[in-house]
Parts: sequence; structure tokens; C-alpha cells
Amino acid sequence: DGGITQSPKYLFRKEGQNVTLSCEQNLNHDAMYWYRQDPGQGLRLIYYSQIVNDFQKGDIAEGYSVSREKKESFPLTVTSAQKNPTAFYLCASSMWGYGEQYFGPGTRLTVT
Amino acid sequence: DQQVKQNSPSLSVQEGRISILNCDYTNSMFDYFLWYKKYPAEGPTFLISISSIKDKNEDGRFTVFLNKSAKHLSLHIVPSQPGDSAVYFCAAREQGGSEKLVFGKGTKLTVNP
Repeated sequence: DGGITQSPKYLFRKEGQNVTLSCEQNLNHDAMYWYRQDPGQGLRLIYYSQIVNDFQKGDIAEGYSVSREKKESFPLTVTSAQKNPTAFYLCASSMWGYGEQYFGPGTRLTVT
Repeated sequence: DQQVKQNSPSLSVQEGRISILNCDYTNSMFDYFLWYKKYPAEGPTFLISISSIKDKNEDGRFTVFLNKSAKHLSLHIVPSQPGDSAVYFCAAREQGGSEKLVFGKGTKLTVNP
């Protein structure tokens, strides 16, 4: 059963702590993406990766870091430098050259 | 500066009628457009797409129209069903190979029984 998994569904952290969000896909997609959604806002791109061991900053990369050591995995770390980390985080993947991106179920991060 | 705009935050229609969701864009380098449907606390689901070389694409109850000269696209849902109630996002891809999508802020559609 192919798809994208994100874990956990809900995550709570104290301010000043780094936290890593998991994203795994078994669709054999080349490209993976991380977005952030805030209330009343569209999806904003944080980072994306076209191939293993390569990634590029999106529109709001400050305070975030990623790695792409395996084709299937693209974890996102929200660092203490991110000013407003509380948000709904979405991971997506696609075949490179095809426009459609397919999304995971999302992780709701709350930082207090 | 918003490159993809969905100017109606919400839309309410009766079951069985047509729903028309609109999207405007400013970047003439966009070559591919997509619509996604999203329920609360879930990831968006891809609905339908259209290439800039076409002006219409149809898939069942969903039709997307593209007017390049007006930089406008619309999603028609006919007939609308209560299960269509969700937030709909318009997205666009810029030609040139980056594969990045730019999303609008979404329109919340409510279909009343």
C-alpha cells in the first residue's frame, strides 16, 4: 500500500528545544518537499529535495534544517531559532518532471 | 507578493448545484496548474490539473478552465455534493524545472444538503 507517512500526528515541545518531524514515502518518488500551513494561509514551502544528498531552501527556510540520506526519507528539524514554530507541517513527494505532488497526513506541532 | 490568489475565502452552495472556485495568478512563467482538496487536520488531496497549453480539463464532476490571457483559472464541480465540503487550494508550477508549487490561500466550500 503506497503512500506517505508522517509521524507523529501531534507533537508538543517546550520553547528552546529542537524537534525532528519524520516523513517517509514508498512511492519511489524522486522529489520530496516540506510545507508549513498556518490558519487562513496557504501552504508555504520550507525545503525541497530533488535527489538523495541534495536539497534546496524554499521560501521560509530560516530556523529549519533537513537531510536526505535515503530516497524514502526526508526528516525536518525545527530548531530553536524558528521564531514561530507552532504550525501544521506537511510533507509531500512527486516524480520529478510531473507537477502533481502527493501529501502525507501532516504533523501538528505545538511549542509552548 | 502573492503570485497565486484565491480572492474568495468561502463559498456556500446547495447540493446538486454547480460550485465555481476561482483563482488568479500574476506570474506568466507558470506552466502547470493544480487544484487540491483539503479536510481539516489532513494532508491535501490532488484533484485535477491543467497544462498551460490547454484551456479545459475534465475529470468526472470536476472541470478546470484556464484563461491564459486573463491569468485566471476556475474549478467547476457539478453536481455539488455535501462530501465536497472542504478547503480547495489552487497551485501553480513555474516552468524551468524547479518543480516548486506556489499555493493560494484556499477557498472553503460548504455544500448544504
